[in-house]
Amino acid sequence: EPEVTQTPSHQVTQMGQEVILRCVPISNHLYFYWYRQILGQKVEFLVSFYNNEISEKSEIFDDQFSVERPDGSNFTLKIRSTKLEDSAMYFCASSEASAGYGYTFGSGTRLTVV
Amino acid sequence: AQKVTQAQTEISVVEKEDVTLDCVYETRDTTYYLFWYKQPPSGELVFLIRRNSFDEQNEISGRYSWNFQKSTSSFNFTITASQVVDSAVYFCALSEAPWGGGYQKVTFGIGTKLQVIP
Repeated sequence: EPEVTQTPSHQVTQMGQEVILRCVPISNHLYFYWYRQILGQKVEFLVSFYNNEISEKSEIFDDQFSVERPDGSNFTLKIRSTKLEDSAMYFCASSEASAGYGYTFGSGTRLTVV
Repeated sequence: AQKVTQAQTEISVVEKEDVTLDCVYETRDTTYYLFWYKQPPSGELVFLIRRNSFDEQNEISGRYSWNFQKSTSSFNFTITASQVVDSAVYFCALSEAPWGGGYQKVTFGIGTKLQVIP
């Protein structure tokens, strides 16, 4: 079964550093997403991306965050200057054109900011 | 705006007991999708079921069953004869479905932590 692949599975970074989280969505999917889950809390929507632009972003997705699809397969989330409160699990997801189908999450990247 | 409420934050049951996890949702759309995900201690989200708003049939998959009732905006999940491996956090989630497809934002409930005691 097709998978959404995320790398790395765990990343530790120092406060103030930039990090890039990488995702390879399912190849025929057109919509891409990032979600965040602070430890012990619910999974929260960050951003959706389609046709090389952001479709919607949440209040969490402020100027320190950016997303990019640098080539035909990767989808990245960049955090420019990490803060302690950015420590969380970050999930990438992708979906097909048809609503409700093929919505698949990756296994997540656990980001720890020290 | 869409909202998902899981009133039970933690449940403990003894192995082989049945357990029902409650989920109540709010949406203004007539077309939407409901999901259940399992999050084991390893942290990944494991997809369990997707149900669209036009299909109110209950579903059974092995020891798992789901009861969808639009009249009460509920989508409850029952595990029959629970096992220790069922111990996890379970999330109910909702996605509104735009006409003609398109991107969908999934809204998650806060999750119910299930502990199955041997």
